Amino acid sequence: AQSVAQPEDQVNVAEGNPLTVKCTYSVSGNPYLFWYVQYPNRGLQFLLKYITGDNLVKGSYGFEAEFNKSQTSFHLKKPSALVSDSALYFCAVRETGGYQKVTFGTGTKLQVIP
Amino acid sequence: DTAVSQTPKYLVTQMGNDKSIKCEQNLGHDTMYWYKQDSKKFLKIMFSYNNKELIINETVPNRFSPKSPDKAHLNLHINSLELGDSAVYFCASSQAAGGTSYGYTFGSGTRLTVV
Repeated sequence: AQSVAQPEDQVNVAEGNPLTVKCTYSVSGNPYLFWYVQYPNRGLQFLLKYITGDNLVKGSYGFEAEFNKSQTSFHLKKPSALVSDSALYFCAVRETGGYQKVTFGTGTKLQVIP
Repeated sequence: DTAVSQTPKYLVTQMGNDKSIKCEQNLGHDTMYWYKQDSKKFLKIMFSYNNKELIINETVPNRFSPKSPDKAHLNLHINSLELGDSAVYFCASSQAAGGTSYGYTFGSGTRLTVV
């Protein structure tokens, strides 16, 4: 069964600094990977995905993620953090075949400090 | 126009009651899901329907019963509510199973509190 791990419960970063939110995955076959963001009292919003191709994936709001097959990682990055980026971020992996169930990580709270 | 709408947004009810949560999507998506988010923000899939057919049925108590009258609607009925059912329930939809194309679109959630 596939799984995804987000090792940090919370990440603090100063406004204007680069940010990284970590994610590692485990899946048989080729991974389909996603990042979602959840603002308080809201549903999750899709940020970006990796299916195949370029290891650097660009998404919404200036976010990007780097797929690293050898390290089984899919870290979320942004060159310059904004206070408005403060939210809960979820990494997710989709199983290969079957009914393509998506499993979410436990979430990482990003706090951008003014 | 809300893409995935859930009602009600808040639901407070006593133990033992039966309640329903409704979900509708106007995106023309084929697949719909119910997720449960607990107090620690952990998200767990409960059910998934593809074109009204149940395709994912995780290990949830059989007090939970999904119903999909058509591919735009997926409702969740819960019998004999327990304290442990308190959580936020999210409905989501995707163009195809697994959300490969454009990911999932989530509703804003239903906060269920059982007292």
